[in-house]
Amino acid sequence: EAGVAQSPRYKIIEKRQSVAFWCNPISGHATLYWYQQILGQGPKLLIQFQNNGVVDDSQLPKDRFSAERLKGVDSTLKIQPAKLEDSAVYLCASSLVGLDNTEAFFGQGTRLTVV
Amino acid sequence: AQSVTQLDSHVSVSEGTPVLLRCNYSSSYSPSLFWYVQHPNKGLQLLLKYTSAATLVKGINGFEAEFKKSETSFHLTKPSAHMSDAAEYFCVTFTNAGKSTFGDGTTLTVKP
Repeated sequence: EAGVAQSPRYKIIEKRQSVAFWCNPISGHATLYWYQQILGQGPKLLIQFQNNGVVDDSQLPKDRFSAERLKGVDSTLKIQPAKLEDSAVYLCASSLVGLDNTEAFFGQGTRLTVV
Repeated sequence: AQSVTQLDSHVSVSEGTPVLLRCNYSSSYSPSLFWYVQHPNKGLQLLLKYTSAATLVKGINGFEAEFKKSETSFHLTKPSAHMSDAAEYFCVTFTNAGKSTFGDGTTLTVKP
């Protein structure tokens, strides 16, 4: 079974520039998550999709971050404009729906450096 | 509301000695609890999960964890550490709606 695919793996941008990350979840997984992992901390949920609808975006800085999941499959996360504090690894994960299927499978992440 | 607390930010053991990584949770209901491992430059990998079946859960690579409701704990153990176990470990809770809460992680160092 193919895993969660993310691209790019690494990105370096200057502050105030924009950047986009892409995620392809495991086939058939209805739930998709974007996490931000700052160095030395655990992943923090930014947004959770159920198919193409948003379930939870309470911790997404909506003034600069946006995400979409067209057709309930692939997803993109955008930052515009970027700040120095956005430097982090951005993780995408997916899971099936159901009481016994809450395990999330993670991609390798995109490491963003804002200079 | 649910939360997860990993009691040690760093744990150092010698190769061949036991490993204990501690996790306490807070939840208004019986949660699903997971341990994930993150090796450098690699994605998070599931070690094991508890979903209200057996309280002693066995995972990959010789790890296991015991769910203790009375102590609200889900500590991760391994009888004998291997050099390849050196990594970051996260205790995580997911609700059945898929809402997740991660601990801040424990860095495990294994000395030869």
